[in-house]
Formats: sequence, C-alpha cells, structure tokens
Amino acid sequence: SQTIHQWPATLVQPVGSPLSLECTVEGTSNPNLYWYRQAAGRGLQLLFYSVGIGQISSEVPQNLSASRPQDRQFILSSKKLLLSDSGFYLCAWSTGRAWNQETQYFGPGTRLLVL
Amino acid sequence: AQSVSQHNHHVILSEAASLELGCNYSYGGTVNLFWYVQYPGQHLQLLLKYFSGDPLVKGIKGFEAEFIKSKFSFNLRKPSVQWSDTAEYFCAVNALRGSTLGRLYFGRGTQLTVWP
Repeated sequence: SQTIHQWPATLVQPVGSPLSLECTVEGTSNPNLYWYRQAAGRGLQLLFYSVGIGQISSEVPQNLSASRPQDRQFILSSKKLLLSDSGFYLCAWSTGRAWNQETQYFGPGTRLLVL
Repeated sequence: AQSVSQHNHHVILSEAASLELGCNYSYGGTVNLFWYVQYPGQHLQLLLKYFSGDPLVKGIKGFEAEFIKSKFSFNLRKPSVQWSDTAEYFCAVNALRGSTLGRLYFGRGTQLTVWP
C-alpha cells in the first residue's frame, strides 16, 4: 500500500531564515505530487505540482519554491521566510494514470510558524 | 477561476441528529467531486468521491453525498451523527480538462462539533 511522509511535523522559524520541507511517497512510482498550504480559517490552496522528476509548476507567485530531485521526493523551500508564510503545509500524491479518476491522498502536514 | 463554497463555517449538533453540509462549485464542465475529513490531530482523509454514474455516493462511516448537476452542488449527509464525527470537513472539486493533473479546488471547510 502507498504511504506518504512529511517532515518535520512542526517548525518554528524566524523571519528571513531559509526553509526546507520534505515529502516522500512510498509504494508507487511516477506519481503526481502536490504542495498545498492551509491558512487558518481558509481552505487548501495549491502551491506547486509536479508530474515528474525536475518538472515543477507553480500555481501562485510567492517566495516559495519546489523541487523534485527524485521520483518520490518533493521538497518545498524558501530562501527567506516571511511572516505570511506561516501555515499548515500539506503534500499530496495521485497516480497520474487516469485523467478522469485522479484521487489525491494527503500527508500528515507540516505546521510552520514564522516569528 | 473555479470556486467552491461551503456555506456553513461551523455546525454544532447533538449526537443522533441528522447532518447536511452544503457544497456548491462554479464550473460548467465535467467535474470530479470529493469530500475530505480532518479529525483532530489527524491528517486529511478521503471521505467519499464522485467520478461518474450514480449521483448518490456512499463513503466511509455512514456518510453519503449527492451530486446535483443542475444545482452545481455536492452536499454531504449523514442520518445520525456521532461524537466521533467531530472534525473539519472539506469539499473539493477537480475541474476535468483531459489532464491527469488533478487541480483540486477546496472549499474553506466546515467545522462540525458533535455534543454527546
């Protein structure tokens, strides 16, 4: 069965510091991968998605970036964090094999607090 | 851009009460529809989904949802809630455009609190 991991679970960082959040998926190959952010009282917002190694697309302009160095690894980064980057970051995957029946499965998330 | 509206921000019920959470979306084409649930301290889990066929879909833990295309709605229902149903519920829509990329659009979520 497939599992998705995220770490760290919680992170407190000062403004201006760098960020690296990691997501890995097990039990599947060549998945579609996604990064979402959930701000308090709001729904999930898609930040980045990837259909393969080195292929990243951004949904919203911001000071975050994403990379996919390996098939099942997805990394969210920032060079300098802003207060507004605080939130709950969720990674998700889907099989990428059935265009009209894709289901996304979510990881446990990372809660980021920027002070 | 597509949008998903969940009308109730916070719903408070007593155990055994019936539940209906509203979800409306704005997209005129073919959609896949989802309800996700996030229990306290747990990650987001799939509750049920609609791809095609019977517009009444059943999910886990006695939940069901009905897709009404003419109303652009996908309301979640449960005839009798339990204290363990306390959670946040998210409606999500994938506007199909022939790509395997599932761009999910989420509603803001509804916090359900069930009193024992």
